[in-house]
Amino acid sequence: GIQVEQSPPDLILQEGANSTLRCNFSDSVNNLQWFHQNPWGQLINLFYIPSGTKQNGRLSATTVATERYSLLYISSSQTTDSGVYFCAYSGGSNYKLTFGKGTLLTVNP
Amino acid sequence: DARVTQTPRHKVTEMGQEVTMRCQPILGHNTVFWYRQTMMQGLELLAYFRNRAPLDDSGMPKDRFSAEMPDATLATLKIQPSEPRDSAVYFCASGPTPSYEQYFGPGTRLTVT
Repeated sequence: GIQVEQSPPDLILQEGANSTLRCNFSDSVNNLQWFHQNPWGQLINLFYIPSGTKQNGRLSATTVATERYSLLYISSSQTTDSGVYFCAYSGGSNYKLTFGKGTLLTVNP
Repeated sequence: DARVTQTPRHKVTEMGQEVTMRCQPILGHNTVFWYRQTMMQGLELLAYFRNRAPLDDSGMPKDRFSAEMPDATLATLKIQPSEPRDSAVYFCASGPTPSYEQYFGPGTRLTVT
């Protein structure tokens, strides 16, 4: 079946540090999204990125479809970046998004 | 500011009662998804609709769960009868097509005692 693996599972940073989160997937990709779930439980869209590179402020993402991975970069982290980051993926002719287990990010002041 | 809305935000009910959760997708989005989030299973897709027609509900327990779209502005998820193991956060999401970006509502936190 479809597999989505995220790493690391947990990450603790000091404010101002940079980080890279990784998402590996098992098949050809037709949809890949990164979400941030904030401490209130809201799932916030960060990127729709089945291929290529995108940037939005301090965040950027890259998906290399041929090698079946995606990376989320967070630069100059802030305490408000804390929460769980999910990668969600669908592949082939399947439109069902499968979510990874997430990376729990804690940014300390 | 277009967003997906869900009601109720919180629901506490007793085992055996019927629960109805509602979702209003973003205007113009023709695809609606229902997800469930638990600590044990994480986020899992229950069902999704395109142009109000169910495309896949294989993730949903058929004996007690049902999902419908009475019109383009309303999707419902019903549980009858509810059980304690149904306690979870239920998210609705919508998108312009099944393969494009999905936008999530705030979720309904369901507790079944």
